[in-house]
Amino acid sequence: QSVLTQPPSVSGAPGQRVTISCTGGSSNIGAGYDVHWYQQFPGTAPKLLISGNSNRPSGVPDRFSGSKSGTSASLAITGLQAEDEAAYYCQSYDSSLSDSVVFGGGTKLTVL
Amino acid sequence: EVQLVQSGAEVKKPGESLKISCKASGYRFSHYWIAWVRQMPGKGLEWMGAIYPGDSGTRYSPSFQGQVTISVDKSISTAYLQWNSLKASDTALYYCARPTTIIVLEDAFNIWGQGTVVTVSS
Repeated sequence: QSVLTQPPSVSGAPGQRVTISCTGGSSNIGAGYDVHWYQQFPGTAPKLLISGNSNRPSGVPDRFSGSKSGTSASLAITGLQAEDEAAYYCQSYDSSLSDSVVFGGGTKLTVL
Repeated sequence: EVQLVQSGAEVKKPGESLKISCKASGYRFSHYWIAWVRQMPGKGLEWMGAIYPGDSGTRYSPSFQGQVTISVDKSISTAYLQWNSLKASDTALYYCARPTTIIVLEDAFNIWGQGTVVTVSS
């Protein structure tokens, strides 16, 4: 059971907008720790998509955006494309677990 | 080019020991944490722990504390993940990863190794 909770799956048609939530608590996201997002295709290493809640690394399309509020964060993908079909993970830090980095359980995005 | 290159796939029997490696290049190795992340077959990412090469300080997830050992050899810019007695449940893909910012453990991981598959089977 992950400290950060994500929906197991989301789906959307090409061109649509989807959001993926990441819910934590008062010892991680709610404590002010940043949330980061990763995209992972089968058989490949995760790729950083969003850092520091809402910052896109160079090369990441502006169709991807992140936000954070209270004890939750969200990843939004607009103008959905077939190539966006992948697993998405959120990451933060938890001060109640021996000062550990924590990941969400992951969300599989299916493009219909 | 900044990169992390991991050692190759391993096939081991239960009870055997194992040490896998993650060699860094292209940056000042001592200044950035190196983390290890487990991904069991068909499952999500799990942070196992990390080491700061500058002083060899380590942090472990409670789930992995006592189960693995993370170490480093600064002279060859290499971090290690070690098991003393493998179990079938250790079968997984293991990644090493480096945060974006020096010193900061909780920052985003922008550099990842290619992963090492560990298979434990009798």
